[in-house]
Amino acid sequence: NAGVTQTPKFRILKIGQSMTLQCAQDMNHNYMYWYRQDPGMGLKLIYYSVGAGITDKGEVPNGYNVSRSTTEDFPLRLELAAPSQTSVYFCASTRGTSVTRVPNEQFFGPGTRLTVL
Amino acid sequence: GQQVMQIPQYQHVQEGEDFTTYCNSSTTLSNIQWYKQRPGGHPVFLIQLVKSGEVKKQKRLTFQFGEAKKNSSLHITATQTTDVGTYFCAGPNTGKLIFGQGTTLQVKP
Repeated sequence: NAGVTQTPKFRILKIGQSMTLQCAQDMNHNYMYWYRQDPGMGLKLIYYSVGAGITDKGEVPNGYNVSRSTTEDFPLRLELAAPSQTSVYFCASTRGTSVTRVPNEQFFGPGTRLTVL
Repeated sequence: GQQVMQIPQYQHVQEGEDFTTYCNSSTTLSNIQWYKQRPGGHPVFLIQLVKSGEVKKQKRLTFQFGEAKKNSSLHITATQTTDVGTYFCAGPNTGKLIFGQGTTLQVKP
């Protein structure tokens, strides 16, 4: 298994440009997450999904959009990039319980390092 | 909303010294998870504690879940340079994990 894969590894954007960060997992996990981590800081949840077709906002969703059309893929879209979106973006997945919605251990991808100039 | 706090934020120790980080939740948790992130890397799952008062060991690492299931600790005995990194605790909340801010451990050889 490849686990959680993210592309690209690095990207530099100009202010106002848009891009999609790709995330895929091959572990048949139902829950997937997008986090951002600013230098020296903790993880902030952007969006998450408990199954295909279901997405929810996290702590810092402004400026981002997501979709979950398949179990495997959970792309993150940045519209009109701003310098404040310079960060490292991590995608994660886990198998969560469907009734109580308790997530188990999360598997993280290697991250995408994004700079907006 | 639910908050998870960790202290200290940073800790510098001499190699061979012990290290402890503490995690406190504003609400009772069904479980608590611990992750380690090496510099430049991604968070990696270490362990999950479920039962009140549970203690688990992984070699030099000892994890404890409080009796009230609102706090937890990670203790490293005789730190090594390979222990360098940031340690996060996390508690579940309706489909997502609430992460603490992390404790960054530096070890001087």
